[in-house]
Amino acid sequence: DTEVTQTPKHLVMGMTNKKSLKCEQHMGHRAMYWYKQKAKKPPELMFVYSYEKLSINESVPSRFSPECPNSSLLNLHLHALQPEDSALYLCASSPGQGAREQYFGPGTRLTVT
Amino acid sequence: GENVEQHPSTLSVQEGDSAVIKCTYSDSASNYFPWYKQELGKGPQLIIDIRSNVGEKKDQRIAVTLNKTAKHFSLHITETQPEDSAVYFCAAYTGFQKLVFGTGTRLLVSP
Repeated sequence: DTEVTQTPKHLVMGMTNKKSLKCEQHMGHRAMYWYKQKAKKPPELMFVYSYEKLSINESVPSRFSPECPNSSLLNLHLHALQPEDSALYLCASSPGQGAREQYFGPGTRLTVT
Repeated sequence: GENVEQHPSTLSVQEGDSAVIKCTYSDSASNYFPWYKQELGKGPQLIIDIRSNVGEKKDQRIAVTLNKTAKHFSLHITETQPEDSAVYFCAAYTGFQKLVFGTGTRLLVSP
């Protein structure tokens, strides 16, 4: 089973709101990723967690705050977003330990009003 | 850093025809090359991948070839079907847990 789940599927939020995106996998993978994808563009890496520790932050603005409470769960906390942050937010996971393949979830479609 | 170019940006074929999408990469240290299919409103789905010690890999109607000398790899889909219509992304693994994606190819298969 190569399933990564994400909730919610859609999210509309105002610029002063605080919201969170959730990602879950039960494949025993030890690396998890957040990507942002704008329309007609490839996914852009935001964060990587490896063995529950943040290993990569691609200079993402602090209004995006990742959290990895355990090896199966990844959150992305959102605060004071801008309309240009509207996008599809994708979570992915990878087995870790040198494995390269990444499996994506269905994404959360975020609209900032 | 790694740069991945992908062509064509759009590809229209008739059902039953073959489709070929090509990618080139710049970093000779890249050693893993996945292909993703993304349908409208969905996340990218890993459909096939190849490692640098292999020249070709097949899985039913799809195949990937890799030419390390020329630094290019290709996706081949035979006997295309309407459900193959999607955006396809190639990628190269640069190390340090990062994939660099190509710009995508929109494939349209007409019945």
